[in-house]
Amino acid sequence: EDQVTQSPEALRLQEGESSSLNCSYTVSGLRGLFWYRQDPGKGPEFLFTLYSAGEEKEKERLKATLTKKESFLHITAPKPEDSATYLCAVQAAGGSEKLVFGKGMKLTVNP
Amino acid sequence: DAGVTQSPTHLIKTRGQQVTLRCSPKSGHDTVSWYQQALGQGPQFIFQYYEEEERQRGNFPDRFSGHQFPNYSSELNVNALLLGDSALYLCASSPGAGTYEQYFGPGTRLTVT
Repeated sequence: EDQVTQSPEALRLQEGESSSLNCSYTVSGLRGLFWYRQDPGKGPEFLFTLYSAGEEKEKERLKATLTKKESFLHITAPKPEDSATYLCAVQAAGGSEKLVFGKGMKLTVNP
Repeated sequence: DAGVTQSPTHLIKTRGQQVTLRCSPKSGHDTVSWYQQALGQGPQFIFQYYEEEERQRGNFPDRFSGHQFPNYSSELNVNALLLGDSALYLCASSPGAGTYEQYFGPGTRLTVT
């Protein structure tokens, strides 16, 4: 069964304090790994798709990387507006398009 | 360009009632997926619709059913509501044809009392 585990479950940072979020996964053939940002009471906002090990994507202060078993979301010099829950999801190869999500990681950035 | 829209925003129902949630996909998207997100959890896949057919289903009982219309909009129906059905229901659309990103709507918050 496809599975996604995110750690830590919650993280508090000071503004400007860089860190990384971890997403480990098991899937029967990876089609893609997806990162989303979710603000309280709202739908997930698409951030990145990674398709193969070694791939990296960047957007502003966020950088996502992928290995064969894990993905990392690196946050450089975060700002309070980066506070949100970050969700990782995998999509298996072979016709299925369903996303299997982790529980998410709640990031709080204090000014 | 309008994104994914969902209605209603919030809904309160009583145990045993039935509910219908609606979703309009992003312009140009023909595939709609529904997810249930309990508080503090990641979204769980309910089912996916493409060309007005249910293409795939997650581990949800038959009380959960859906429909897709010719304009690609979709409905999620839940019968015989249970307290445990209280959650944020998310609709996601994707353009299909080899592009796999799914774009989510704002969700419908369902409370069952």
